Amino acid sequence: DAGVTQSPTHLIKTRGQQVTLRCSPKSGHDTVSWYQQALGQGPQFIFQYYEEEERQRGNFPDRFSGHQFPNYSSELNVNALLLGDSALYLCASSLTGTGMCTFGSGTRLTVV
Amino acid sequence: GESVGLHLPTLSVQEGDNSIINCAYSNSASDYFIWYKQESGKGPQFIIDIRSNMDKRQGQRVTVLLNKTVKHLSLQIAATQPGDSAVYFCAEGGSSNTGKLIFGQGTTLQVKP
Repeated sequence: DAGVTQSPTHLIKTRGQQVTLRCSPKSGHDTVSWYQQALGQGPQFIFQYYEEEERQRGNFPDRFSGHQFPNYSSELNVNALLLGDSALYLCASSLTGTGMCTFGSGTRLTVV
Repeated sequence: GESVGLHLPTLSVQEGDNSIINCAYSNSASDYFIWYKQESGKGPQFIIDIRSNMDKRQGQRVTVLLNKTVKHLSLQIAATQPGDSAVYFCAEGGSSNTGKLIFGQGTTLQVKP
């Protein structure tokens, strides 16, 4: 049983560009959450998708947007990249109502 | 505001000793807490969770204690092994089981052989 899979594993982008990260949730999970983890810090909640809609959002600007597809997979889009967006982006899936999240290995984004 | 904090950034223990990692939280309405282990280059890995109607929960070599009076939880690892070396995070699941987690900054556990 595959867990949460994320792609790509690493990415280098230039300031001002746009990026799309992808996530496939664990089998049986219907909710996908995205987190940003800066070096040496704990993950910070970006937003969560359930039934193809954004259900919750953390304190992140509108440059961060997402999407969930009918098969529960999800994308995270970041526009107008800043150097400060360099981080590990983690996708976590869960079954709604259970609270317990399974994390993927993340996408390491470097903005230069 | 909500916050979850850990008491020590780094904990160094001898192989075979017991480890105790502490965490304080601020939201008294939270009813779900999780401990995660994160190894270098990997995502957080679930260790154990506990709900607010419990004070203690045991897993394989791990025990989580929850003290709601002082809003504190701890992770105890018995007979610590080199493979336990990692960063440990406590996460607060809030009061609505929605899957939104608030993480602390983490404690690095170093196991000396």
